Amino acid sequence: SQQGEEDPQALSIQEGENATMNCSYKTSINNLQWYRQNSGRGLVHLILIRSNEREKHSGRLRVTLDTSKKSSSLLITASRAADTASYFCATDPQGGSEKLVFGKGMKLTVNP
Amino acid sequence: SQTIHQWPATLVQPVGSPLSLECTVEGTSNPNLYWYRQAAGRGLQLLFYSVGIGQISSEVPQNLSASRPQDRQFILSSKKLLLSDSGFYLCAWSVRGILYSYEQYFGPGTRLTVT
Repeated sequence: SQQGEEDPQALSIQEGENATMNCSYKTSINNLQWYRQNSGRGLVHLILIRSNEREKHSGRLRVTLDTSKKSSSLLITASRAADTASYFCATDPQGGSEKLVFGKGMKLTVNP
Repeated sequence: SQTIHQWPATLVQPVGSPLSLECTVEGTSNPNLYWYRQAAGRGLQLLFYSVGIGQISSEVPQNLSASRPQDRQFILSSKKLLLSDSGFYLCAWSVRGILYSYEQYFGPGTRLTVT
């Protein structure tokens, strides 16, 4: 079943602007992960944040996690046209199931 | 470095025909392996996952089956395809985790159209 829900479902911005995507989930987690998918391709792992972490950075990416609100956000700074893709959050539910639960994804369009 | 292969890239099959999609991983041992399906413009649906040779967990009752004959080989099969089996099939692997899951690495996917 889907746990992560990305918000908004679609976002269109201009190159150079920042893009923020949100993810909400329902159960306690070990970690939360963000993935990117270019059209017609496989998913690419972007960043993993553990349940005891609040913020993590990787290049132009900044991820926050609020376990009390069961939510996460992905910020892409100084966006580029090449950032155009679908972005998914995925949660690792507590319980050691060795599987992730993916959200439905969010389409980001960065206009040049 | 690790590499995941998935083939074929595209496939058009008639209703009622069999299916076999193969996924292989190089450069790692004893990985977790996963099959997902993605409908057009939708999220990922986990179909099967495997934590070892011959160990298959099915997530959704359906017209498909999976097998893991070798440590780094994962096969998705069907005896008779349905129109509803059309979609984008993705294979993925991850390092085995005891207490939590690690990041997953995806193959390029197979676009299946059942006509």
